[in-house]
This record gives sequence, C-alpha cells and structure tokens, in this order.
Amino acid sequence: QQQVKQSPQSLIVQKGGISIINCAYENTAFDYFPWYQQFPGKGPALLIAIRPDVSEKKEGRFTISFNKSAKQFSLHIMDSQPGDSATYFCAASMIWRGKLIFGQGTELSVKP
Amino acid sequence: DAGVIQSPRHEVTEMGQEVTLRCKPISGHDYLFWYRQTMMRGLELLIYFNNNVPIDDSGMPEDRFSAKMPNASFSTLKIQPSEPRDSAVYFCASSSRTGLYEQYFGPGTRLTVT
Repeated sequence: QQQVKQSPQSLIVQKGGISIINCAYENTAFDYFPWYQQFPGKGPALLIAIRPDVSEKKEGRFTISFNKSAKQFSLHIMDSQPGDSATYFCAASMIWRGKLIFGQGTELSVKP
Repeated sequence: DAGVIQSPRHEVTEMGQEVTLRCKPISGHDYLFWYRQTMMRGLELLIYFNNNVPIDDSGMPEDRFSAKMPNASFSTLKIQPSEPRDSAVYFCASSSRTGLYEQYFGPGTRLTVT
C-alpha cells in the first residue's frame, strides 16, 4: 500500500513535443504529490507539487494532472526542450509525516 | 544559504572497512533524511529524523548500517563493515514544517566498495 508505481522507465521525445509521465498509488491517505527533477551528478530537486483538492496545477511548461478516483497523477511537460533531459521522480506522502514515497523514476531524453 | 552539505563527495574503500558519510542540513530545518540511490532499486529512504530523533529506520538494510544526529546541524551515516553491494550514491535531504515539507537534497556521496 505504500508503493508508488511510475511509468515509463525511459522516454524519448522530440524537441517541442509533449512529455507525459504517469504515476499510480494505492494509499488513499496520501495527501501530497510532488514531482522531483534530477540532473546527472546532482540531487533531486522539487519541480512542482499538488494536493488532492485540485485536479490540475500548472507552472510554466509543467503541469500535474491528478485523478483522485483513479488514484493516478501525471506530469506533462509542454514544448519539451533538450534542457529538460533529466530523471523525473513522482512521490507521495501524508504531508504531516514528512516522509516521501518515491516512484522508480523516468529518464527523459529530449532530442534536438 | 549554502544548501545541504554532504561529505565526502566520493569515497572508494575496500570491503570490510568502515565508512562514514556526513551531512549538514539547511539551518532551521527540523527533518533530515538519508536516501540511497542505485540503478536497480531507485531512490530508497533509509532513515529519517525529526528534531534529531530517529522517526523511521525501517529502510536501513541491515545492522551494518547506523545513523546518528547528535545535533540539529550534523548527521552521520555509518556502514561497518562495508560490502561491494553497498556501492551507491547516498543522499541527505532536509525539510521543515514551515516549508511545507519540501525536501532539499544535497549533492550526494558516491560510494564505491571494492
């Protein structure tokens, strides 16, 4: 029940295309769903996060879509750029606990 | 702020040796996390502290691993004795309740056990 399942493992997108990464969870007590971005040789960094009281959150080219009934959420990167090439992790938590459960990660490569 | 500081950045050691990884969290953060990252297992939470007290160590792989947080500005992760399968990148992260629990990760320590 503590798992967060992420797909795909890797993704290749052309510059200007849309990148979509999906995650699913089981624990309905989760109330905080962040996405982290990790560049090679660096630690992960928070990209965008959503709470379950909204179905969508947009920040620039990055959008989280959240489907509470399906227990799924996804990251959409519009107009993908080579600089977006990184590993993306979804995560979930009961926010008051402070502990994040991470998905397995998606390695995104945006081709010029 | 300097962010989360980890040392050393790289560590190469022989099987059986003791390894100590160090972390300085962001000042004012009251949560500290230790993670391990490998290709096979992804990003795993090993242990986390709140106000210097260990809250959940269920991710610590075995008794060879231990972690301490003697004060709010310093934590260590020790592996004794080390084994080749411990080779990984170890991250420290910190967060605060007032920061809505956003976790800030350090640059990591790449550990290689030969």
